[in-house]
Parts: sequence; C-alpha cells; structure tokens
Amino acid sequence: ELKVEQNPLFLSMQEGKNYTIYCNYSTTSDRLYWYRQDPGKSLESLFVLLSNGAVKQEGRLMASLDTKARLSTLHITAAVHDLSATYFCAGGGGTGTASKLTFGTGTRLQVTL
Amino acid sequence: NAGVTQTPKFRVLKTGQSMTLLCAQDMNHEYMYWYRQDPGMGLRLIHYSVGEGTTAKGEVPDGYNVSRLKKQNFLLGLESAAPSQTSVYFCASSYEEIEFFGPGTRLTVL
Repeated sequence: ELKVEQNPLFLSMQEGKNYTIYCNYSTTSDRLYWYRQDPGKSLESLFVLLSNGAVKQEGRLMASLDTKARLSTLHITAAVHDLSATYFCAGGGGTGTASKLTFGTGTRLQVTL
Repeated sequence: NAGVTQTPKFRVLKTGQSMTLLCAQDMNHEYMYWYRQDPGMGLRLIHYSVGEGTTAKGEVPDGYNVSRLKKQNFLLGLESAAPSQTSVYFCASSYEEIEFFGPGTRLTVL
C-alpha cells in the first residue's frame, strides 16, 4: 500500500526567499503528481513526473523526482505572495490504468511581504 | 467544454438521510473517481470506475455506493448519512497521466 508523506506541513516564508517542499513515498509509484489548492477551491494540476530524474519547471516552481530515494521535491524560487496556497503531492497510476491517487497531507504555504 | 462538473455544490443532511452526488465530464474520459477531503488532510479515494458499467472500491469505500451507467456520469450515493461523512467531495476524471478535478461538493451531516 502506497503511503505519501510531505514536509513541512506548514511553511511561512518571506517574499523573495527560496524553499523546498519534500515528498517521500513508501513503495514504487509509476507517477508522482503535484497539485495546488487555494482555500475553498478545487485542485489545480502543477506537474506530473513520470521517470527517475525527471525535472519540470513552471515559473517559480520546479519539481523533481528521484525514484531510487522515493523522493520528490517542489522547489520555490524567489517566492511571491500569489504562491500562497496548499500544495499536495500524490502518487499512483500507470500507463493504461486508473490513477487511483494517494495524496500526502499537504503543505500550507504562506508567503509574507 | 465544461470539463468536470459536480452537483450540488453544497448540501446539509440529517443523520440517516440519503442523497446522491452527481459528477459529469464532457471529455470522453474512461476513468472517473470520487475522493473525499477532510480538514487538514489530502484527498482519499472512495470509489473509482475504469469505464461505463464498472466500479471498484478505493481506500475508504464504506458507507458509499457508486454507479456508472453512462460514460460521462459517475454517481456517488450515501444511503444513510452519518456525521463522519461530513466532508468535501471531489470528483475527477483522467486521460493518460492527467487527472481533472471538479469544483467539489461540501456536505455537512448533522
């Protein structure tokens, strides 16, 4: 059974600073996902990482995957207030199968001026 | 193209009442899912479907039933609601590696 752990659970950071959110998972997972959720809203897909060493970047966010260490990271560069949200990682899925995602508990990010 | 829609957006039930949540997608996706999200937690999979006429249990299926009579619709039923089912329910559909989530239904059981 796949288990996903994120840390930290809460992160308060100043604008302009860099930080990393960590996502560890317990067993082999074909895919690793990162989502963003704003309060009271649905989930927005950020990244899907499919293979060892995968790195994807969008704006100030960069996600990477190390399948040997069973670790994914979400790196935030020069944070801005608009990045304040809860970030979830999730594992699961496989080619031609249902995703059946297992989520971490989320990291609530607060970017302060 | 509406994506994934959910009906209703909010609902308050009394313990023991029944209700059905409707999820619809217009993307012709085979796979559909129901998740619940409780405060301070990630989403947990309740049931899922790999195609019309099929359903399967997820991580937390007890107290829920589902049906997928049409490819575009996935229904989640609560036969006898309990306070422990107070949650936000998200429906999703997927194609290849991308899951698309609906806006959610906030359910309170008193």
